[in-house]
Order: sequence, then C-alpha cells, then structure tokens
Amino acid sequence: AQSVTQPDIHITVSEGASLELRCNYSYGATPYLFWYVQSPGQGLQLLLKYFSGDTLVQGIKGFEAEFKRSQSSFNLRKPSVHWSDAAEYFCAVGGGSSASKIIFGSGTRLSIRP
Amino acid sequence: DTAVSQTPKYLVTQMGNDKSIKCEQNLGHDTMYWYKQDSKKFLKIMFSYNNKELIINETVPNRFSPKSPDKAHLNLHINSLELGDSAVYFCASSYSSGTSETQYFGPGTRLLVL
Repeated sequence: AQSVTQPDIHITVSEGASLELRCNYSYGATPYLFWYVQSPGQGLQLLLKYFSGDTLVQGIKGFEAEFKRSQSSFNLRKPSVHWSDAAEYFCAVGGGSSASKIIFGSGTRLSIRP
Repeated sequence: DTAVSQTPKYLVTQMGNDKSIKCEQNLGHDTMYWYKQDSKKFLKIMFSYNNKELIINETVPNRFSPKSPDKAHLNLHINSLELGDSAVYFCASSYSSGTSETQYFGPGTRLLVL
C-alpha cells in the first residue's frame, strides 16, 4: 500500500539557517512526489514536484528536493530560511494515472527562531 | 482574483443538521476535488470529479454527497452531521485528472459540529 512518512512533527530553526525536512514514501510503482506548504489559515500551495529525470528538483521560494530511490526518500531543503517560511509542510505521493489519488504525509510544522 | 474559492469559510452547526459547502474555480480546470483535514492536520481525499463525472470516491459515509453542476463548481452536501465531521474541508482543482497535474487548493472551510 502506498504511504508517506514525515518523521518530524515539529522543527524549529533559526532565521538564516539551513533546513531539511524529511520524507519517506512507500509506493509499488514509479512514484510521483510532491511537497506542499500550508500557511496558517490557508490552503495548500505546491512547492515542487518530481516525476522523472533529474533527481534534484527546484521549486518556488528557494526550496529544492532530492529524490533518492534507494532510500525511498524525497527530502525538502532550503539553504537559508526566512521568517515567512514558518508553516506546515506536507510531502505527498501519487501514481500518475487518471484515477490515482495523492496520499499526503502527516505534515511537519516549521517554526522560525528570530 | 481568487482561483479556487469556498463558501462559507467557517461553519458552526448542531449535530443532526444538514449543511452544504460550495466550491468554485475560475481556472478553467476540468478536475475538482474535496479533501478533509482532521484536527491532527492529516489530509485525505474524499472525492474527485472530472468534467462533472465522479472518478474518485473514497470510503466516506454516504451522508456526504458531492454535486458538480458544471466543470467550475463542486459542492459538498453533508446530511445528519456528526461530531466526527468537524474538520477543515478543502476544495482543489487541476487542469486534468491524474496526479501529474498540479492541484490548486481553496482556503478551506472550517466546520465545527456541536
């Protein structure tokens, strides 16, 4: 069965520090992988997605993620966080067909220390 | 211009009541979705429609009935509301079905059943 695990419920980093949010997935076929961000009281916004090709994917707001098939991971990174990055981050996996659905992880809440 | 809008934003109601949540997208997308986010931020798909046809119908109580009068609208009607229905409900849309398409989320409807 497909699933997504985000092992960190809450992470706090200092403004200007680097960030890595972990994501591990379980999927029987080639996965489609996503990172979404949810700001307080808002809907989700897509940061980046991976389907194939280069395993290092660039997204919006300076985020990137690296697909590692051998580790079943798709970790999100940012070299220097800003206070506005404080939000909930969701990793997700899908299958690509028209009847596929996206399975979301439980989310990681990011807090920024001034 | 709001891409995906939902009404109402907040909904407080008594157990046993019937309520509807409306969703509209002005992106010209063919596919629309309903997601439920529980108190632990866990996000799960409920339904998806493509060109007004149901393509994903997760295991949700039949008290929940989606209705798509046209491609731009997907409403969610809930009968006999229960305490466990309290959650945030998100509408989303994408250009077409299939998880390769970016989904655009509405701001959510916060439902509280008393």
